[in-house]
Amino acid sequence: EAQVTQNPRYLITVTGKKLTVTCSQNMNHEYMSWYRQDPGLGLRQIYYSMNVEVTDKGDVPEGYKVSRKEKRNFPLILESPSPNQTSLYFCASSYGRWHGYTFGSGTRLTVV
Amino acid sequence: QQPVQSPQAVILREGEDAVINCSSSKALYSVHWYRQKHGEAPVFLMILLKGGEQKGHEKISASFNEKKQQSSLYLTASQLSYSGTYFCGTALNNAGNNRKLIWGLGTSLAVNP
Repeated sequence: EAQVTQNPRYLITVTGKKLTVTCSQNMNHEYMSWYRQDPGLGLRQIYYSMNVEVTDKGDVPEGYKVSRKEKRNFPLILESPSPNQTSLYFCASSYGRWHGYTFGSGTRLTVV
Repeated sequence: QQPVQSPQAVILREGEDAVINCSSSKALYSVHWYRQKHGEAPVFLMILLKGGEQKGHEKISASFNEKKQQSSLYLTASQLSYSGTYFCGTALNNAGNNRKLIWGLGTSLAVNP
């Protein structure tokens, strides 16, 4: 089944404890992106990647890191999480510019 | 830069029609439409490209008026399964990361029996 797999689905952590949210797609998509979704603010892009080893900042990259060593994987790293990073996170991938995005099932992160 | 969606919320009876609009202050390269049910991921409905294209997906169709920088989503003979929040994502008419989408804040649609 074609899908984007995110893990974990839920995560509660403490301020400053490094964490990684994994994202993997099995559709051979070139384009991958991370979003956070907050009430009243909608979906905001954190980072995106056009291909392996090609990443760039989105609208709200502060406090996040990404890497794209393999085409299928695009992990999101929070080196020192803070409470303002409490949010619902989505990974998404796309085959090409004429195609829509496939979203992962989301990761609900709470930083206390 | 963020597209404006209207209305913010709509309540329908099963079988009624609805129109959701997505307007941008910038020239658009493409418009995406997604539906998100509570607690789930957004699901892709359709993509429209500049040129006034109209597309359909079951009883859901959409149009894109490039001159007006606006897209509309049409839901006809609504079903209970259409309930959710509808988002438009717009790609601006520029070079570079033209797959970057700027999202509207969503339109909440509730279909009641």
